[in-house]
Amino acid sequence: DTEVTQTPKHLVMGMTNKKSLKCEQHMGHRAMYWYKQKAKKPPELMFVYSYEKLSINESVPSRFSPECPNSSLLNLHLHALQPEDSALYLCASSHPGLAGAYNEQFFGPGTRLTVL
Amino acid sequence: LAKTTQPISMDSYEGQEVNITCSHNNIATNDYITWYQQFPSQGPRFIIQGYKTKVTNEVASLFIPADRKSSTLSLPRVSLSDTAVYYCLVGEDDKIIFGKGTRLHILP
Repeated sequence: DTEVTQTPKHLVMGMTNKKSLKCEQHMGHRAMYWYKQKAKKPPELMFVYSYEKLSINESVPSRFSPECPNSSLLNLHLHALQPEDSALYLCASSHPGLAGAYNEQFFGPGTRLTVL
Repeated sequence: LAKTTQPISMDSYEGQEVNITCSHNNIATNDYITWYQQFPSQGPRFIIQGYKTKVTNEVASLFIPADRKSSTLSLPRVSLSDTAVYYCLVGEDDKIIFGKGTRLHILP
């Protein structure tokens, strides 16, 4: 199984709502990532989990809260978002990077988020 | 992290070989060069990775000169389905930064 799955595919939420995005992989990868991608822009790294611990937070606002309950699952909890947070949210996984090496990231199809 | 520069867009015709060059003047000794492909409303997909000289797989080749300050992704005999955005990334470990990418448009 070389697939990263993301749910839901689409999400529309109001600025006062609380919602969660889910990501799952069964490739035995111990690094998982959240990216945000606006239209016609490259993906921007948000968070990295390595061995279920948050290792990188790219100064993301606290209204985005990541969680890695186990090695196969990654969640992104959303609260009090703004319309400018509307974007495609991508999850990826890989074997953790080692100094002097880089491991291929497998991306999910993304969740298209619209904040009204 | 080394910054990458790629052409914003390229057009080519079906059946042609397409070469996309990426500049990365500040590449570090431990950095690898990796290329991803992305179709609209999909996640990026790994194409190829290299450190030096030439790497070839079933879909592409990657040419890296000795100074490693640039690299060229070569797609042989492209088809309409190769229309996508191609990203060149340089880095190591878990933190990678996507550059602006090259929008490749294949014409019939």
